[in-house]
Amino acid sequence: EADIYQTPRYLVIGTGKKITLECSQTMGHDKMYWYQQDPGMELHLIHYSYGVNSTEKGDLSSESTVSRIRTEHFPLTLESARPSHTSQYLCASSDPGGTNTEAFFGQGTRLTVV
Amino acid sequence: DAKTTQPPSMDCAEGRAANLPCNHSTISGNEYVYWYRQIHSQGPQYIIHGLKNNETNEMASLIITEDRKSSTLILPHATLRDTAVYYCIVRSPMTTDSWGKLQFGAGTQVVVTP
Repeated sequence: EADIYQTPRYLVIGTGKKITLECSQTMGHDKMYWYQQDPGMELHLIHYSYGVNSTEKGDLSSESTVSRIRTEHFPLTLESARPSHTSQYLCASSDPGGTNTEAFFGQGTRLTVV
Repeated sequence: DAKTTQPPSMDCAEGRAANLPCNHSTISGNEYVYWYRQIHSQGPQYIIHGLKNNETNEMASLIITEDRKSSTLILPHATLRDTAVYYCIVRSPMTTDSWGKLQFGAGTQVVVTP
């Protein structure tokens, strides 16, 4: 049973607002990820983190930012939301090493900017 | 990480076995084959993974060819709840030099019909 949670599940917000999407995991995983996915399209990695105080940009450029102050928490922030940010955002985490590692995903946040 | 090729879609009758192919001709020796699925509007769910031996768990079986250039995910008795997009991913172990990020392609849309 995966213990990774995203809030809110759905968010409709006006242009120009600042928003933070929350992601928390209780598995003690060092590695965490944010993916962006438009309806019917592929998942694209936008941010990842090796551990506390570590954040890196993913393969898809994003105007969002992330922080990793605590192991269990990996929030994503948009300083000024725009309609082009409308998408589903998925958070994931995984064990730090070894070969038998799988990634656990949250249920996602579906963001609509109007 | 090596690229994978999957058919865009396939149908399967309920109760029958679903065989999902994946080509990964450029896979390297230390890369594992992972399968995930994504049910509509949810986060991806881990199914199974393997290196070169066939693997089986409560969800599915994974058959990897001897040359490791292709694999098949088998859902032994498909149910309506198995309707989802199935992703085949080739991934190196997470070591200090490789953080083992998951790169999702387009996947195969599987529709299980009554």
